Amino acid sequence: GENVEQHPSTLSVQEGDSAVIKCTYSDSASNYFPWYKQELGKRPQLIIDIRSNVGEKKDQRIAVTLNKTAKHFSLHITETQPEDSAVYFCAAGNAGNMLTFGGGTRLMVKP
Amino acid sequence: DARVTQTPRHKVTEMGQEVTMRCQPILGHNTVFWYRQTMMQGLELLAYFRNRAPLDDSGMPKDRFSAEMPDATLATLKIQPSEPRDSAVYFCASGFRADTEAFFGQGTRLTVV
Repeated sequence: GENVEQHPSTLSVQEGDSAVIKCTYSDSASNYFPWYKQELGKRPQLIIDIRSNVGEKKDQRIAVTLNKTAKHFSLHITETQPEDSAVYFCAAGNAGNMLTFGGGTRLMVKP
Repeated sequence: DARVTQTPRHKVTEMGQEVTMRCQPILGHNTVFWYRQTMMQGLELLAYFRNRAPLDDSGMPKDRFSAEMPDATLATLKIQPSEPRDSAVYFCASGFRADTEAFFGQGTRLTVV
């Protein structure tokens, strides 16, 4: 089955700096790579996703890149704000398979 | 605003008791996942259903856990007997397919004492 590794497990940045979270996956059949944000005490919610036919996707301060050859994808948050503080999860899957999550990254943005 | 509904939100039970958690997926979604989360990190997949059929429950301890979908509007996760190590937040999520957005419920916070 799919195995998703996520790094780092914790990340502390100063407000205004950029944050980068990286994930690797093992199953070359995976073609869907979402990122979820979970605030304290809340449910995980999708913030951005990318499919294997696209190398990069942006949505305001958030961007995701995908390298299919190397089987890794990354989340980039620019101009971080205190409200970006949360746990971020990457995941990988495809239509015929389950969605497998990485271990999560706790992002702390210091004012 | 369609949402995945989970009940109960909180459950405190004694070791050895049966626990049943329920999930109502979003109408029209045919993919349902059960995840367990401990210590605010790590979403561990327990079970995965498509069109009510269990496709993968390899992450679930079979001797005490069971997951079912009696109909398209209800998914259940049972633990019998419960143990303190089962204490966690259990999330249900639903979607159209595994390669589309998964919508999570609020979770059931289970404490086994």
